[in-house]
Amino acid sequence: DGGITQSPKYLFRKEGQNVTLSCEQNLNHDAMYWYRQDPGQGLRLIYYSQIVNDFQKGDIAEGYSVSREKKESFPLTVTSAQKNPTAFYLCASSPAHGTASYEQYFGPGTRLTVT
Amino acid sequence: GQQVMQIPQYQHVQEGEDFTTYCNSSTTLSNIQWYKQRPGGHPVFLIQLVKSGEVKKQKRLTFQFGEAKKNSSLHITATQTTDVGTYFCAGPGTGNQFYFGTGTSLTVIP
Repeated sequence: DGGITQSPKYLFRKEGQNVTLSCEQNLNHDAMYWYRQDPGQGLRLIYYSQIVNDFQKGDIAEGYSVSREKKESFPLTVTSAQKNPTAFYLCASSPAHGTASYEQYFGPGTRLTVT
Repeated sequence: GQQVMQIPQYQHVQEGEDFTTYCNSSTTLSNIQWYKQRPGGHPVFLIQLVKSGEVKKQKRLTFQFGEAKKNSSLHITATQTTDVGTYFCAGPGTGNQFYFGTGTSLTVIP
């Protein structure tokens, strides 16, 4: 059963702690993305990666870090430097061939609450 | 930076009424995508439009891409309760990233 998995679905952390959200895909997609979604707002791009061992900052990368050591995995770390980390985090992937645009496949999301 | 604006932010309709959401970009887009997110769910791809003035239909859903490729619309005819959710448009930026609109949340009253 192909797709994107994110775990856990709900995550609770104390302020000041780093937390890592996992994202795994078995679609053999080159590109992977992390978005943040807040109530009443659209999806805002945190980081994206077009190929293994390479990634670029999105519009709201401050306080976040990522790695792309394997094609199928793109974990996101929410650091203590992120001022307002409570949000719904969505991971996505897509084929990436040149400049063509392809649909993005989203995982089920992780709802992070920091208190 | 690139912006993709969407209106309205919320829309409540009686079941059977029509619904339209509009998407406007500050720059010309090479293509535009539409996604639907059910309450509590994740965005699911609906369609991609590429050509100027393009119109595509999926059953009761009609998607349009403006002649100048800076705006797009999604129209739903005779809404049903299964249409409930938030509809997002998304336009490409540099590399393989996309800029998502703020979304239109549709509520259908039975």
